[in-house]
Amino acid sequence: QSVLTQPPSLSAAPGQRVTISCSGSSSNVGNNYVSWYQQLPGTAPQLLIYENNKRPSGVPDRFSGSKSGTSATLGITGLQTGDEADYYCGTWDDSLSWVFGGGTKLTVL
Amino acid sequence: EVQLVESGGGLVKPGGSLRLSCAASGFTFSSYSMNWVRQAPGKGLEWVSSISSSNTYIYYADSVKGRFTISRDNAKNSLYLQMNSLRAEDTAVYYCARWLGGGTPFDPWGQGTLVTVSS
Repeated sequence: QSVLTQPPSLSAAPGQRVTISCSGSSSNVGNNYVSWYQQLPGTAPQLLIYENNKRPSGVPDRFSGSKSGTSATLGITGLQTGDEADYYCGTWDDSLSWVFGGGTKLTVL
Repeated sequence: EVQLVESGGGLVKPGGSLRLSCAASGFTFSSYSMNWVRQAPGKGLEWVSSISSSNTYIYYADSVKGRFTISRDNAKNSLYLQMNSLRAEDTAVYYCARWLGGGTPFDPWGQGTLVTVSS
């Protein structure tokens, strides 16, 4: 059971918009920056969003992040088949550990 | 180019030991904290351990505390994970990742090395 809660799976059609939620508590999401990672099939995770809503260079602006209280959200607009991947949220927990969400498998139909 | 390359994975019997390495290049290794993260087959990401830039702070997940030891050699730009008393549930791909501490992100990640614990 992961400390951060994400929906296990989501599906949407190309061109549509999806949001992936990440729910935590005051000791993790509520008190620290959240980052999001994309893991394409058979590859290592890659940073997608950091400090709640910032995009590393090279990440398209179709990807966005937000945080409110103890929840964070990843948004993806203009879905493409290449966005099919597993998405993970992560953050520092004040109990001196890093925590990840269980991951969300995104299917682009 | 910033790069992390893991090595040392393989097949080991339950109760056995293995030492993973992560070779860093393209950045000032001694200025960054580092992490090990693992992913069991078909499962999600699990943080394993963190070490600060000068070894001042070391943290472990409860699942590996007392069995795994993280270390680093800044002169060799290398990170290590000594894994003892291995169990079947330690079977996973192990990734190293660069970190600045706290809520800063893990970036980049290595390609991973597979550890299989089986008799």
